[in-house]
Amino acid sequence: AQSVAQPEDQVNVAEGNPLTVKCTYSVSGNPYLFWYVQYPNRGLQFLLKYITGDNLVKGSYGFEAEFNKSQTSFHLKKPSALVSDSALYFCAVRPRSGNTPLVFGKGTRLSVIA
Amino acid sequence: ETGVTQTPRHLVMGMTNKKSLKCEQHLGHNAMYWYKQSAKKPLELMFVYSLEERVENNSVPSRFSPECPNSSHLFLHLHTLQPEDSALYLCASSQGQGTNYGYTFGSGTRLTVV
Repeated sequence: AQSVAQPEDQVNVAEGNPLTVKCTYSVSGNPYLFWYVQYPNRGLQFLLKYITGDNLVKGSYGFEAEFNKSQTSFHLKKPSALVSDSALYFCAVRPRSGNTPLVFGKGTRLSVIA
Repeated sequence: ETGVTQTPRHLVMGMTNKKSLKCEQHLGHNAMYWYKQSAKKPLELMFVYSLEERVENNSVPSRFSPECPNSSHLFLHLHTLQPEDSALYLCASSQGQGTNYGYTFGSGTRLTVV
């Protein structure tokens, strides 16, 4: 069975500093990997995904993520954090084959401090 | 707006009440999902409908009853809930179940059981 681990419940970063939100996964075969963001009182919004090709994926709002197959990780990064980036971030995974639904991690709350 | 609309946004119900949550999408998607979001827990997949047929039911108690009358509408009927059922209930849709497309989420229904 597939699973996602987001080891940090909370990440605090100063505005203007780089940020990293960690994600590791377990799945049979090669994965599709996703990051979503959730603002207060809203649903999850798609940020970016890894399908194939370049291991560095660029997404919305200046975010990027790097797929590392050997470490089974897909960490979310941004070079310079904004206060408006403060939100709840979810990593999700599913295997390439079959009809398995996306499996989500428990989320990491990012707080960017001015 | 994401194209997935959930109503109501907030619901308070007693343990003996019957209520329904509604989800509507006009994205042309053919798969729809119900997720339960509780604090500091991974998103819990409850039900999956593909082409209006229920394809997954993750051991959800029978007090939750889904209904998918057509590919654009999904309901979650609630009956004799418990206080621990209080959570944010998220609906999502996707174009195909086993693809590399992500999910589009609604804003959720915040349910409080008293």
